[in-house]
Amino acid sequence: QKEVEQDPGPLSVPEGAIVSLNCTYSNSAFQYFMWYRQYSRKGPELLMYTYSSGNKEDGRFTAQVDKSSKYISLFIRDSQPSDSATYLCAMSPNTNAGKSTFGDGTTLTVKP
Amino acid sequence: DTAVSQTPKYLVTQMGNDKSIKCEQNLGHDTMYWYKQDSKKFLKIMFSYNNKELIINETVPNRFSPKSPDKAHLNLHINSLELGDSAVYFCASSDSSRNSPLHFGNGTRLTVT
Repeated sequence: QKEVEQDPGPLSVPEGAIVSLNCTYSNSAFQYFMWYRQYSRKGPELLMYTYSSGNKEDGRFTAQVDKSSKYISLFIRDSQPSDSATYLCAMSPNTNAGKSTFGDGTTLTVKP
Repeated sequence: DTAVSQTPKYLVTQMGNDKSIKCEQNLGHDTMYWYKQDSKKFLKIMFSYNNKELIINETVPNRFSPKSPDKAHLNLHINSLELGDSAVYFCASSDSSRNSPLHFGNGTRLTVT
């Protein structure tokens, strides 16, 4: 079993929809949780970075962490075609970025 | 302006050849990494250097040899290339003193024929 499981895609939604991207994990040592967005032919870029359980909001994006269930989510409100990308969850037991374990990614397409 | 830049962007070569990928970061970070992303988008760390010293060396064939001439550069040399080496290789950097997350380059797409 992988340490980090990410909902497989691909996911296709109409513009304006609310998108939910999810990951589960088995390693209770994970304390830091990240979401990266990767456009085609580009490197992953950090979207959200959270430490504690609960919600963190940044514009149209909300990251949610439930440590008791070992479950994290990324919500995208009012999705736009420019949100079309692969989203990777990542988690780490400490602040050492090199210890991050990545999910397999979910490819999202937002149709105009 | 590019924070983490790697060259070349594309690399097509034949089995058995030796090739190098270069990476440079201008963020002032003290740690640099090489990741491999396969066709299924799975991202796996290969190496990590902190201030020119190797700190992470995952199970990678010894045909792969990283070299860090200074803390702003981390190159990857690959000997005797095999078909299974075809992937996208990403360089990344972070600042260990400020707990920063990873900043990735745009990748080198390696195709071995």
